[in-house]
Parts: sequence; structure tokens; C-alpha cells
Amino acid sequence: GDSVTQMEGPVTLSEEAFLTINCTYTATGYPSLFWYVQYPGEGLQLLLKATKADDKGSNKGFEATYRKETTSFHLEKGSVQVSDSAVYFCALRDLGDDMRFGAGTRLTVKP
Amino acid sequence: GAGVSQSPSNKVTEKGKDVELRCDPISGHTALYWYRQRLGQGLEFLIYFQGNSAPDKSGLPSDRFSAERTGESVSTLTIQRTQQEDSAVYLCASSLEGGMPNYGYTFGSGTRLTVV
Repeated sequence: GDSVTQMEGPVTLSEEAFLTINCTYTATGYPSLFWYVQYPGEGLQLLLKATKADDKGSNKGFEATYRKETTSFHLEKGSVQVSDSAVYFCALRDLGDDMRFGAGTRLTVKP
Repeated sequence: GAGVSQSPSNKVTEKGKDVELRCDPISGHTALYWYRQRLGQGLEFLIYFQGNSAPDKSGLPSDRFSAERTGESVSTLTIQRTQQEDSAVYLCASSLEGGMPNYGYTFGSGTRLTVV
């Protein structure tokens, strides 16, 4: 079945560092891909999404490009802030199926 | 409503007692999901409702867990005879329509359940 694999955390960065969180997927169809963010004590929030190959999702300085050839949807940000400290979940959703979530990657940004 | 609302936000209960958790989805969202998230862990799927169809209960961990949803409105998750391993955050999410890949989920803030 469809699945998502994301890099294990925790990831610790200094403020203004470059962030990459890797995500790869396995799917039989043509899924949409998502990144969700969970701040401490809160539910998950949609961060960005891409619905077809080569689409780039972006929000709040974060970007991810839907790469069909490498089955990847890596999350990037050029300069992280302390407020970006959270858990990030990669997810996919295929036609007729439910959302499949990765295990989550905890990011801590230190001042 | 504007978002997915869950209540209570926190619940402390004694082992062996029953608890009921509530989720009020976004109006018009036909799909509703319950997840469990243990401390520091990922999401564990529990149950899925789509409109008036029979729910997908495949994720419920034991017969102590049950959930109901009236039409396309409020859902309640009931845990009977709670155990300490039930301690977790219970997250509810709704979606405009189940099975449509373009639609993301909107999550509530969760109910933090502590069984003592």
C-alpha cells in the first residue's frame, strides 16, 4: 500500500541555518503530497501541499517540490527561526484512500 | 464552525472509568477521522467516518474503544474501562470529502487524556 518515509529526528539547528527534512513516498497512483506542522501542545496544521508532479508548495518560507522521478517531497527553508521549532509530518493522499502520514520529524531551532 | 473543535482539551480520569471525547468538525466536511498520538510519537489511525456510510473501524485498538457520528456533524469517541496505556492526545480531523486526494485534513487541537 501507499506509504511515506521521512528522515528521523530530532533535528537541531541554529537560528538562520538551512533546513532540509527528507521525505520519500511509495504510491500506486498519483497522490497529492502534504507537509503538516505540529507546534507544541497543538494539533497538526497544513503547512503546504502539491497535487501533481513538479508542483512546488510554499508557505511561511518553507518549500517542497513534488518529484515523481525520485518519489520525493523534501521540505526546505533557507533560514529557520526559533519559532519554527515543531514536529513536521510528511503525508500523501491518493484517490479513494485516506491520508498516510510519516512518523514525524522533530525540529529544534536554538537562538 | 471555522475550525475543528474538540472537547475537553484536557481530561484526567481514574483507571477503570469511562471517558467520552467530542469532536465538532467543520460544517460541510463529510469525512471525519480520529487519531491517537502517544507522547513523542506519530499518528495512530483509529476510525474514519464518511457521510452516512459504515465507518472504517479498522484502527480501534480494542473493544473498549467505540465512536459514533450523527450524520455529518458531531462525533464522540468513547473509551470504556480506561487503562494507563490509553493516556495520549486524541486528535480529530475533518475533510471536505473522503478519498479525494486534493483535500487536506483540518485537525482540532486535540484532547489530552491522562489515566491515573
